[in-house]
Amino acid sequence: DADVTQTPRNRITKTGKRIMLECSQTKGHDRMYWYRQDPGLGLRLIYYSFDVKDINKGEISDGYSVSRQAQAKFSLSLESAIPNQTALYFCATSEPGLEETQYFGPGTRLLVL
Amino acid sequence: TQLLEQSPQFLSIQEGENLTVYCNSSSVFSSLQWYRQEPGEGPVLLVTVVTGGEVKKLKRLTFQFGDARKDSSLHITAAQPGDTGLYLCAGDSRGGGNKLTFGTGTQLKVEL
Repeated sequence: DADVTQTPRNRITKTGKRIMLECSQTKGHDRMYWYRQDPGLGLRLIYYSFDVKDINKGEISDGYSVSRQAQAKFSLSLESAIPNQTALYFCATSEPGLEETQYFGPGTRLLVL
Repeated sequence: TQLLEQSPQFLSIQEGENLTVYCNSSSVFSSLQWYRQEPGEGPVLLVTVVTGGEVKKLKRLTFQFGDARKDSSLHITAAQPGDTGLYLCAGDSRGGGNKLTFGTGTQLKVEL
C-alpha cells in the first residue's frame, strides 16, 4: 500500500463550488504539505503543517484553506472554486533532518469549469 | 520570492546520448535536492547536496552543487528510455528541508 494517498485522483467541478481534497499518510510523519503544480511553474507551496496544532500559509494560500484532522490526515479545501485553480495538487510528508526528504502522494488532477 | 530557473525546459534525445540539466538562482540555498516525476505520480527524491562544490553520483547520474550554493546541475551519461520523466530541482534556504522552493522543471524524453 502507498505511504501517502490522495483522494480523489481526478475531479471536475464548476465555478463557485466548494470542494475538498484529502490526504492520508501511514509514514508517521508530523510534517505535511500541500502543493499545486502548473506547467512551466514547478510546484508551489499552498499550506504546510508541522504538527496537528500547527498550520502555516505557503506561497499561494489565497482561495484555499486546510484542516489537519490528525497526524495522518491533512485536507485542502477550495471554498469557491475558480477556473485558475485548475491544476495538479500534491500532498507531501516529511520528518525533520539535515537532509530532509519530502514524500509525495500521487496527486489529484482538478478541473474547474 | 526566490526563483529557481531550470534549463532546458524540454529535452528529447536518443538512447545512449549524454545530457546536462541546469538549475540556477540568484539566491543562496543551504541545500538543494533533485526529484524525478513520472506521469501520474508524485515527485521522488533522487539526491540532496548540501556543500558548495559537492558532487554526488547515482549510477549514471551525476549531481553537482555550485561553489556559491546558488546553482546545481544534473548530468546523465548514456541516457536510457527509463530516464524519461520530469526533473525538478528544489532549494532549501532555511535548512531542514521543510520549506522548499521548486524549480520550473525539465521534461526529458529518451527515445530508442
